[in-house]
Amino acid sequence: DAEITQSPRHKITETGRQVTLACHQTWNHNNMFWYRQDLGHGLRLIHYSYGVQDTNKGEVSDGYSVSRSNTEDLPLTLESAASSQTSVYFCASSEGTSDTGELFFGEGSRLTVL
Amino acid sequence: GQNIDQPTEMTATEGAIVQINCTYQTSGFNGLFWYQQHAGEAPTFLSYNVLDGLEEKGRFSSFLSRSKGYSYLLLKELQMKDSASYLCAVMDSNYQLIWGAGTKLIIKP
Repeated sequence: DAEITQSPRHKITETGRQVTLACHQTWNHNNMFWYRQDLGHGLRLIHYSYGVQDTNKGEVSDGYSVSRSNTEDLPLTLESAASSQTSVYFCASSEGTSDTGELFFGEGSRLTVL
Repeated sequence: GQNIDQPTEMTATEGAIVQINCTYQTSGFNGLFWYQQHAGEAPTFLSYNVLDGLEEKGRFSSFLSRSKGYSYLLLKELQMKDSASYLCAVMDSNYQLIWGAGTKLIIKP
């Protein structure tokens, strides 16, 4: 079965460290997204990609970067982790803009920055 | 600005019916989504409405009124496993999803 997996599921790091969260999907979807989810807020878009070599900033992109070198993977990097980046991060994928846009989510990565 | 409003929390009784409302103000409209998210888990797709009216899918139904910027999710014959957060999201004119903060639904026996 096709799936989308994230790793690590849980990560504790220190302020100033670089952190990379991995996302791998086997749906062969063109579109991939990174969201963060915090209490009291809706899912907030960090970065997204519509295909290989394509990346775009979302509404909360400061301090984060992504790269898309193949269809399956969209790693999210925190260049210098800050306490404000403590959150649950979800990766998602979808087939394209011509369909209903249904998103398939990974299980989430809980990041704590001390 | 763009805004999605839904109640923070609702409580209902097992076997009953509950309606979760969502109002939105967005730049354009390309569809409204409902997702279910159990605690500690990923959101999963429930429904998609792009035209006015009611879409029924088993015990769950979703209604849309584009002129009023309003949708609701109706859950019938509530079961304990329906205890979850329900997320409303609107796809705007740029095909970006704008998310509400979610409604936590508590089901009591």
